[in-house]
Amino acid sequence: LAKTTQPISMDSYEGQEVNITCSHNNIATNDYITWYQQFPSQGPRFIIQGYKTKVTNEVASLFIPADRKSSTLSLPRVSLSDTAVYYCLVGDSGTDKLIFGTGTRLQVFP
Amino acid sequence: NAGVTQTPKFQVLKTGQSMTLQCAQDMNHEYMSWYRQDPGMGLRLIHYSVGAGITDQGEVPNGYNVSRSTTEDFPLRLLSAAPSQTSVYFCASSPAQVDSYEQYFGPGTRLTVT
Repeated sequence: LAKTTQPISMDSYEGQEVNITCSHNNIATNDYITWYQQFPSQGPRFIIQGYKTKVTNEVASLFIPADRKSSTLSLPRVSLSDTAVYYCLVGDSGTDKLIFGTGTRLQVFP
Repeated sequence: NAGVTQTPKFQVLKTGQSMTLQCAQDMNHEYMSWYRQDPGMGLRLIHYSVGAGITDQGEVPNGYNVSRSTTEDFPLRLLSAAPSQTSVYFCASSPAQVDSYEQYFGPGTRLTVT
């Protein structure tokens, strides 16, 4: 199965930019790389997805290098409400399985 | 549009009991999946389905069965509950994978096995 690695935790202050990287191998060649946000006692919520290069929406940017062995979620100017756990999601090479990363706990301080 | 619904929200079982966790979606999504999340841990794929009548195993399928007789419903059955199955269970659905990996999650079922 596809393997993913994320930093366990990160700290930041309000107004700063935060970059969270997910390393992944054995992922499907033509599938999306997706990122989710999860608050305590809730299901994950979709943030952004991309296939290659850079994608930007109203809340985040996603950078994917040409080799697709990693992806970086960028959160501009974080606020206290961005304190959550962030997961990457990748497709397993050769199957239909969608595998979550290990998750990064982001703590934003005032 | 109710999205993804799960029942029950909480359940306590004794070791050896069986039960079915219900999941339904009203978005006509082809892809549905079940994840478990142990305290302080990430989400692990139990079973998934790419359409009615088609199911397959995920990362941690042992002790669980699924079926997909309709597009809307994807129940998860615990065959003989064990304390190791104490967890929060999330059901998710998404459009056909060629279009998007944006999954919509239900509120979860918190299961305790004593």
